[in-house]
Amino acid sequence: DGGITQSPKYLFRKEGQNVTLSCEQNLNHDAMYWYRQDPGQGLRLIYYSQIVNDFQKGDIAEGYSVSREKKESFPLTVTSAQKNPTAFYLCASSPLRTRSNYGYTFGSGTRLTVV
Amino acid sequence: AQTVTQSQPEMSVQEAETVTLSCTYDTSENNYYLFWYKQPPSRQMILVIRQEAYKQQNATENRFSVNFQKAAKSFSLKISDSQLGDTAMYFCAFMRYNNNDMRFGAGTRLTVKP
Repeated sequence: DGGITQSPKYLFRKEGQNVTLSCEQNLNHDAMYWYRQDPGQGLRLIYYSQIVNDFQKGDIAEGYSVSREKKESFPLTVTSAQKNPTAFYLCASSPLRTRSNYGYTFGSGTRLTVV
Repeated sequence: AQTVTQSQPEMSVQEAETVTLSCTYDTSENNYYLFWYKQPPSRQMILVIRQEAYKQQNATENRFSVNFQKAAKSFSLKISDSQLGDTAMYFCAFMRYNNNDMRFGAGTRLTVKP
């Protein structure tokens, strides 16, 4: 079955360390997205990519980096520059600019905790 | 930038009753898409219903329906015959017609009571 796989489900990071969250999809979707979810703030867009080797900053990109070397993969690195990285991270994908837009397919998320 | 506002942080409803969740948005676009997503305790995001702004008819999916008021920039979700499994966070979301990045509201936590 097609879908999006995020790993790991839970991740612990020491302060000052970089950590990379994995997101893989086999839906043949062109576009992929990373969101951060905090209590009371909904989902906020970190980065998105509409094509391989290209990506754009979202609303809260500071302290994060991404790469899109393959259509199927869109890993997110949380760097030591991110002041408050503890959050739930969601990856999503979608076809690109279809006339009838059916929204995103989401992964099951990664809970990152700084210890 | 588009903003999405959900003014009800928490709501509750008795099983089998009807509940309406509110959502307003701000945009200068004429064509766009609106969505309601459900996030149960598993935290998996599930699409509930979608609306295309150029369609005047309100979308309906079984027990879920929307009241789309384009001029008022309002997009409320009505859940009829509420079930215990409807207990979840509900997010309203906006997407421009020619761009794929989606913006979400802060969410409404709905509890269905037996």
